[in-house]
Amino acid sequence: RKEVEQDPGPFNVPEGATVAFNCTYSNSASQSFFWYRQDCRKEPKLLMSVYSSGNEDGRFTAQLNRASQYISLLIRDSKLSDSATYLCVVPTGGGNKLTFGTGTQLKVEL
Amino acid sequence: SQTIHQWPATLVQPVGSPLSLECTVEGTSNPNLYWYRQAAGRGLQLLFYSVGIGQISSEVPQNLSASRPQDRQFILSSKKLLLSDSGFYLCAWSVWGVGEGRETQYFGPGTRLLVL
Repeated sequence: RKEVEQDPGPFNVPEGATVAFNCTYSNSASQSFFWYRQDCRKEPKLLMSVYSSGNEDGRFTAQLNRASQYISLLIRDSKLSDSATYLCVVPTGGGNKLTFGTGTQLKVEL
Repeated sequence: SQTIHQWPATLVQPVGSPLSLECTVEGTSNPNLYWYRQAAGRGLQLLFYSVGIGQISSEVPQNLSASRPQDRQFILSSKKLLLSDSGFYLCAWSVWGVGEGRETQYFGPGTRLLVL
């Protein structure tokens, strides 16, 4: 299994839809997880951190399933501005190193 | 508040030419610093990281090198660029130390490098 694996998409959804992305990871010892958002030709920006079973911030919910080693990101009431690539990120290798998934592309359409 | 700067924003260089990209962080002390490369349509690849002045760890063999001459300055260099060095170079910082809450990395705006 790859260290971090994501469905590349693209996910094309209408405005107002609910969409969910999954991410699997291989290091069962990982304790914290992150979702970053990356707009086209821009740097990644932190969206959410997940340290326990999950985290919720407005329309965004991240859930962690340690037994199955996957993390999900749920976006409710999608906006056009949510169109971006969402990166699943897991600390690996000790220290403060992170391993980034290749990202899931979301396109929200009118 | 903390800010991270990178320059230049874009760069076009001929094969075989040298490279120097600079990254500086403001508003924090003893940050961990990182250099990543993102090739077109690919994920982020960690190139180097540093936990202090003069301390550099290399993650992948390549013709690039990194230096940290000051606490909040991180430089990526090459003596001779290859075509395969083209990509989006990102510098990031995280809070010093290890443990929950300290792994979050914050990225600079990046340098887009095209080697011809």
